[in-house]
This record gives sequence, C-alpha cells and structure tokens, in this order.
Amino acid sequence: GAVVSQHPSWVICKSGTSVKIECRSLDFQATTMFWYRQFPKQSLMLMATSNEGSKATYEQGVEKDKFLINHASLTLSTLTVTSAHPEDSSFYICSAEEGRSNQPQHFGDGTRLSIL
Amino acid sequence: AQSVSQHNHHVILSEAASLELGCNYSYGGTVNLFWYVQYPGQHLQLLLKYFSGDPLVKGIKGFEAEFIKSKFSFNLRKPSVQWSDTAEYFCAVNYAGNNRKLIWGLGTSLAVNP
Repeated sequence: GAVVSQHPSWVICKSGTSVKIECRSLDFQATTMFWYRQFPKQSLMLMATSNEGSKATYEQGVEKDKFLINHASLTLSTLTVTSAHPEDSSFYICSAEEGRSNQPQHFGDGTRLSIL
Repeated sequence: AQSVSQHNHHVILSEAASLELGCNYSYGGTVNLFWYVQYPGQHLQLLLKYFSGDPLVKGIKGFEAEFIKSKFSFNLRKPSVQWSDTAEYFCAVNYAGNNRKLIWGLGTSLAVNP
C-alpha cells in the first residue's frame, strides 16, 4: 500500500520550454503533497507544500511563478517548471501524506530534469 | 535554526558487521523523527519513525533506532548488516508546529561488501 507514482521519470528539453511533472497517490488520498529538489551529494530541499484545494506554501527562496504547483484533487499534484533554464536541471521528488495523524510521507521515484 | 546532522557520509562494512549511523538535530522542542532508506534506483522508503512512547523504535529489515532526548540524537542501528543493506540512509525531523515539514540530513551512503 501507500504507493506514489511520479511521472515522467526523466525528461530532457530545450531551454525556455515548460515542463510538467505529475505526482499521484495510487491507493490513498493525499491531503498534503510535498515537492522536493535534490542536488547531487546534497540533502532533499523542500520547495513547497501543497494542500488539496488551496494554494501551495512555498519555501523561502523558491520562486512561485517559476515553479507552479497545482493540487486539484486528493490524488494528484503537479509541478510545472516554467520557462526552464539549465540551472533548473535537477532531481525533483514528490511525496504524499495521508490525512490521518502520525503518518509518514510516501515518496515517488523522482524526476530527473535536464535542460539543454 | 532547525537542522539535522548525519555524522557519517560514507560507511563501508563487511557483511555481518554491526552498523550504527549517527543523527543529531538542533533543539526545537517536540519532534517526530524518521529514518528513510533509498536503495539503488529506487524511491525513498520509510525504515522507522518515532512519535512518542518507547524511545527504542524497531523498524523493518532488522533496523532499530534509539531516541535520546538529552542528546538530541536518533541513531540508527543494525546488529548484522547484509549486502542488500547497501543504500543511502536519510535521517529526517519534523518539528512541532512546522506543519509536518521535514528537515533532512545530508544522508549516509552505506556500502556492504559481501
């Protein structure tokens, strides 16, 4: 149980394009989803927290107009990297949390984004 | 500032050796504590967690961790490692009032030689 599916797993695109990453909870309802970014040899950096039906809460230093997050349903959140540039290349990971208390986050497989 | 420190960045062990990975967090009141593991090519998986109660927590695959409040530590242990334990291990802390946001350590890369 508690499977989180993230798609795509790997994307390469040209500078200036927008890229959408999907995060789905397959067998549970995720009231909260988290988006992380991970640089090589570094820890996970939380970008934003999204709650179903409301605006995402962005961490300090994360551009909300650059990284658009939508959490339209209890099983789907999307991260759109708008007008991507090479410095946006990274590994993006989503996690989802059930609505019950004292439940851990469940993680997707991550998306490797490479901007040329 | 809230922070999590993992002391060992790379650990190499032989099979059957005992393992202890250190994790310390900065003071911040009530905390929930987690250890996650990431096997090669796979997503992060929960090993064990501590919310309250017995400070010695047992997780999957023979792992355990002990919460020592006075030392702000949550070290991960396994008495006898296997080759299949080769993975990246992350300690994470949720501070009360932080809206379930996790603060992550840098991770420890464990390699177990057969």
